[in-house]
Amino acid sequence: GAGVSQSPSNKVTEKGKDVELRCDPISGHTALYWYRQSLGQGLEFLIYFQGNSAPDKSGLPSDRFSAERTGGSVSTLTIQRTQQEDSAVYLCASSQDRGGYGYTFGSGTRLTVV
Amino acid sequence: ELKVEQNPLFLSMQEGKNYTIYCNYSTTSDRLYWYRQDPGKSLESLFVLLSNGAVKQEGRLMASLDTKARLSTLHITAAVHDLSATYFCAVTTSGTYKYIFGTGTRLKVLA
Repeated sequence: GAGVSQSPSNKVTEKGKDVELRCDPISGHTALYWYRQSLGQGLEFLIYFQGNSAPDKSGLPSDRFSAERTGGSVSTLTIQRTQQEDSAVYLCASSQDRGGYGYTFGSGTRLTVV
Repeated sequence: ELKVEQNPLFLSMQEGKNYTIYCNYSTTSDRLYWYRQDPGKSLESLFVLLSNGAVKQEGRLMASLDTKARLSTLHITAAVHDLSATYFCAVTTSGTYKYIFGTGTRLKVLA
């Protein structure tokens, strides 16, 4: 597609429920990244996928968070048993190769846990 | 651990004035990026600085990189209201792909 597409744009969920956030990267971009932006804060790295290599999961804050990328394209970030501190904007980005010339970000999913 | 600091965190300025935003980072880096974020929107790439002494300009914004000082600046010339946004710098270290972001500078240009 023309840009990085994320869905849903907004999600309100009850504490303890599971949520899935979707990212559709730019066609042909081999690298995909998930970041989290809490209110008034900077961006926190979560996970990185590059081609068929094993993902770098070093930024995932707990084992309630997981992500997969199917067919080298669409990615899903899953948060199990959501907590209020999970409330944030989850941003997906993609890049050609290793991102040396910059990422392209999606518009994000605003997650609110009530 | 690579850390990135931006100053100031908040900036309110009059239209027509000049100002500089600073981005300091803690360890050797070879690439620095500037992004703009409008409220409720995603991040838009502004500049990619790839080497020491790199300078890039777009309209009223000019970014520079001094890798020896571990410092990048984003200079705003004759500010206009449309520049109101949050500006982030981000840094990578050699051989990595993870961007470490600064906390952002929220700029408000007053008419």
